[in-house]
Amino acid sequence: EAGVAQSPRYKIIEKRQSVAFWCNPISGHATLYWYQQILGQGPKLLIQFQNNGVVDDSQLPKDRFSAERLKGVDSTLKIQPAKLEDSAVYLCASSLDWGASSYNEQFFGPGTRLTVL
Amino acid sequence: GEDVEQSLFLSVREGDSSVINCTYTDSSSTYLYWYKQEPGAGLQLLTYIFSNMDMKQDQRLTVLLNKKDKHLSLRIADTQTGDSAIYFCAETPGAGSYQLTFGKGTKLSVIP
Repeated sequence: EAGVAQSPRYKIIEKRQSVAFWCNPISGHATLYWYQQILGQGPKLLIQFQNNGVVDDSQLPKDRFSAERLKGVDSTLKIQPAKLEDSAVYLCASSLDWGASSYNEQFFGPGTRLTVL
Repeated sequence: GEDVEQSLFLSVREGDSSVINCTYTDSSSTYLYWYKQEPGAGLQLLTYIFSNMDMKQDQRLTVLLNKKDKHLSLRIADTQTGDSAIYFCAETPGAGSYQLTFGKGTKLSVIP
């Protein structure tokens, strides 16, 4: 079974530029998550999709970050314009369904390492 | 709000046991997880425990949960160099909630 795919793996941009990350979840997984992992920290949830709808985007800095999952499969996360503090690894994860149970096995992709100069 | 704390570093000799500790603040946590992150890779779920359990064993891994003290530990028996990684404790708060809250991670270094 193929895992969660992400691209690019690395990206270096200058501040105020724009950048986009792509994620392809595991086939059949209804729920998709984007996390930001700053160096030395644990992952922090940015946004969660259930199929093509947003479940939680309370920690997404909406003035500069946007995400979409138009067909309920692939997802794109965009930053426009980027700031120095956006330097981090952006992880995508997917799970079958968050449903009514709190057990939530999320499968993570390898991440995109973003460096903002 | 929820908070998960871990010590940042642990160094052990190959063949010894490793014990990684975690404390959390949310008394309504239902599931607690241990994830492993190797360099340049995403997180991999190692094991989890439901909050009504005290212990769970899975091959070389033993998870202990002290719900009264809100303390979780992961013991790795016969630690190998391939166990070198960052280990994250995470919790799912309250029934019906899906969100994972992670600690900052413990970097385990295994000395040959």
